[in-house]
Amino acid sequence: GQQVMQIPQYQHVQEGEDFTTYCNSSTTLSNIQWYKQRPGGHPVFLIQLVKSGEVKKQKRLTFQFGEAKKNSSLHITATQTTDVGTYFCGPQAAGNKLTFGGGTRVLVKP
Amino acid sequence: DSGVTQTPKHLITATGQRVTLRCSPRSGDLSVYWYQQSLDQGLQFLIQYYNGEERAKGNILERFSAQQFPDLHSELNLSSLELGDSALYFCASSVNGRNYGYTFGSGTRLTVV
Repeated sequence: GQQVMQIPQYQHVQEGEDFTTYCNSSTTLSNIQWYKQRPGGHPVFLIQLVKSGEVKKQKRLTFQFGEAKKNSSLHITATQTTDVGTYFCGPQAAGNKLTFGGGTRVLVKP
Repeated sequence: DSGVTQTPKHLITATGQRVTLRCSPRSGDLSVYWYQQSLDQGLQFLIQYYNGEERAKGNILERFSAQQFPDLHSELNLSSLELGDSALYFCASSVNGRNYGYTFGSGTRLTVV
């Protein structure tokens, strides 16, 4: 069934540096959503991408949907300690399941 | 406050017991989803209800059941609890399906001892 894979699983970033996390699917996605879960918190909806090649920005966060709608990326510039958390993409229908990617856990080194 | 209310926030119970987790969705949302998150793991989909009807089902164990009531609140029942059922259980709601962002509650942390 369709699965969404996220890479990397862990991302250690020096404060002030940029990084990118990726969400890949073997099949075409109707849309993709991104969520952030702070340590000890609950997932919070960040954004939804729908159109092929769509790019959306939220301050230092840039979200992109691939041209083939099979992948998406989240790029964070000038990482801050407030960016710590796990970033999930999803949910996508895999059979009758609404699955999220496994998440990218971001750790920031001050 | 996300608008999705989950109770209780914490629950400690013994193996073999039965518990009920409750979720009140955000006002106006018809869909309710239940997810299980074990320590430092991803979100495992359990079940979705839409306006009182079961809409999608994940790898929910037979010992688990859920329902959505006419007032749209939902309950997740976990029975014959095992140590491995210890996890965070999140409820999320959305307007009418997965084409809109989910609003998650703060979760119920279940500890089975």
